[in-house]
Amino acid sequence: AQTVTQSQPEMSVQEAETVTLSCTYDTSESNYYLFWYKQPPSRQMILVIRQEAYKQQNATENRFSVNFQKAAKSFSLKISDSQLGDTAMYFCAFITGANNLFFGTGTRLTVIP
Amino acid sequence: KAGVTQTPRYLIKTRGQQVTLSCSPISGHRSVSWYQQTPGQGLQFLFEYFSETQRNKGNFPGRFSGRQFSNSRSEMNVSTLELGDSALYLCASSLTTGTNQPQHFGDGTRLSIL
Repeated sequence: AQTVTQSQPEMSVQEAETVTLSCTYDTSESNYYLFWYKQPPSRQMILVIRQEAYKQQNATENRFSVNFQKAAKSFSLKISDSQLGDTAMYFCAFITGANNLFFGTGTRLTVIP
Repeated sequence: KAGVTQTPRYLIKTRGQQVTLSCSPISGHRSVSWYQQTPGQGLQFLFEYFSETQRNKGNFPGRFSGRQFSNSRSEMNVSTLELGDSALYLCASSLTTGTNQPQHFGDGTRLSIL
């Protein structure tokens, strides 16, 4: 079975601080990609960062970085210098050869001014 | 470059009716995927179309169907609507099919069944 687990339904962080969102997944596939998407109240799903499973180096994208632990099937997202615009639902997802994204249930992040 | 465009943005239907949702992918993108988002079930994959062919299908009943045209635009149809079909339907496009292609989402169509 392909599953994604986000154990933190809600989180909050002070503006300019750092926050880490956790994600674990389960798949028997060896070739897959991992993603973090954000969905602000405007509801459009926006790609934040992606990680190729075969790469050991953690992906970074400006203030966003991941901690990818393949053996543990863990894929956490770190947001540095949090901004008010980071307030959104964050979804962890992975995609296998079948090209369908498996999503977690999401973490609602609120950045507090 | 314009993003993924979904129409209509909102739709209200009654039980038993049918509905067609439209998705125009980013120019040059040939793969279109559809997802259903509900508070209870979260985001679930419906199906993917590439080169006018359904490549993959999620675990939804046959009332949910789709198609893709030669210009890569896609439509999704739901027949005999049920209350449980109320959801946000998201369309995503990517350049081609395959695991290394990031999917870009539209704003979604909010479908409400009365």
